Amino acid sequence: QQQVKQSPQSLIVQKGGISIINCAYENTAFDYFPWYQQFPGKGPALLIAIRPDVSEKKEGRFTISFNKSAKQFSLHIMDSQPGDSATYFCAAHYNNAGNMLTFGGGTRLMVKP
Amino acid sequence: EAQVTQNPRYLITVTGKKLTVTCSQNMNHEYMSWYRQDPGLGLRQIYYSMNVEVTDKGDVPEGYKVSRKEKRNFPLILESPSPNQTSLYFCASSNDGSNQPQHFGDGTRLSIL
Repeated sequence: QQQVKQSPQSLIVQKGGISIINCAYENTAFDYFPWYQQFPGKGPALLIAIRPDVSEKKEGRFTISFNKSAKQFSLHIMDSQPGDSATYFCAAHYNNAGNMLTFGGGTRLMVKP
Repeated sequence: EAQVTQNPRYLITVTGKKLTVTCSQNMNHEYMSWYRQDPGLGLRQIYYSMNVEVTDKGDVPEGYKVSRKEKRNFPLILESPSPNQTSLYFCASSNDGSNQPQHFGDGTRLSIL
């Protein structure tokens, strides 16, 4: 049973559009929420992360919105580019088990030129 | 260059034939872990290690073994592989702590026939 649910599974966006990926969690013990970006043939790489005491974090074209009461968080990619085409994973960190990350199921994003 | 190196990158083998996937990191990280990635399920943690000689089970440890005799190495051992262990495997390392990014290797694709 996945503790972090991610949607959609796939997403097609036109160049310049906004890509939005959503995640929901149940465990209130999670204390850190990173997003990872994965290109074919490569391992996931940290993109941006947020702690639950912050409602929004922005780094360039990437923004995380965090709603603690709803136990939801989302990734927004503004001005999406073909180079953003990749698989994105949300994750949640559970401090009681070392540095364990629980991942969502992933979203395959395709940005059309 | 800071990196996590996995070998082999690809392996096709048969049921019951013991195999080892090696993982090495050059960042002096305390924490290392193994994940498997399956479509729609994201990455699920198999085992993790918080330091030398300290290992513990993740979410899906059945059928796997690990060891941590040196800080830089964390091999994954399949004593008697079965077809349901066909998957894409990732090794990761990080400094200890909840907000420390995990650095992933480029993956090992295992096919068990």
